[in-house]
Amino acid sequence: DQQVKQNSPSLSVQEGRISILNCDYTNSMFDYFLWYKKYPAEGPTFLISISSIKDKNEDGRFTVFLNKSAKHLSLHIVPSQPGDSAVYFCAASIIQGAQKLVFGQGTRLTINP
Amino acid sequence: EPEVTQTPSHQVTQMGQEVILRCVPISNHLYFYWYRQILGQKVEFLVSFYNNEISEKSEIFDDQFSVERPDGSNFTLKIRSTKLEDSAMYFCASSPGQLQPQHFGDGTRLSIL
Repeated sequence: DQQVKQNSPSLSVQEGRISILNCDYTNSMFDYFLWYKKYPAEGPTFLISISSIKDKNEDGRFTVFLNKSAKHLSLHIVPSQPGDSAVYFCAASIIQGAQKLVFGQGTRLTINP
Repeated sequence: EPEVTQTPSHQVTQMGQEVILRCVPISNHLYFYWYRQILGQKVEFLVSFYNNEISEKSEIFDDQFSVERPDGSNFTLKIRSTKLEDSAMYFCASSPGQLQPQHFGDGTRLSIL
């Protein structure tokens, strides 16, 4: 199932700089997108979401951008902090119906001091 | 902050035995989900549950699996006659409604011997 793809398995960023995580999807029916953060031995923690009627959503240091024509979304974290080191998952769903989430493979973000 | 709780955190079971994984969703949430993550693979959807019935299930969720909401607080996943390939991390999630993010528990690690 390759409907949601995160092509970078890992990303290393210096503390204080911007982290940009990318996600691509293939199913044009998806209309709700989420980013989750996961630490080892914990469940995914919701970070931020965006519906397809918007192209940007911001919450503190986190901003999600959606480009529907390119079927691409990105998560920007600025400034990056050591506590941001985790695995980040992109997920997509269709609002009508059961809203099951389809996840990407995840990107391991490491913030270096 | 309210959270989804899952028990046990780790379950070891002999192949062929039945296992019940338990979840207590967030109290005012209406939609309930089970996902699993096999080691090294994506988080994948198993089943969604709303209004006391299954609203959608994946191909993985065959007759071996069942879900129940036996009272107002618990949400269980039963796996009958477990197989080696059922070994995975099982996550429960809940959400208050449409266009609302799903919140995940910390998972139950199921090991089938």
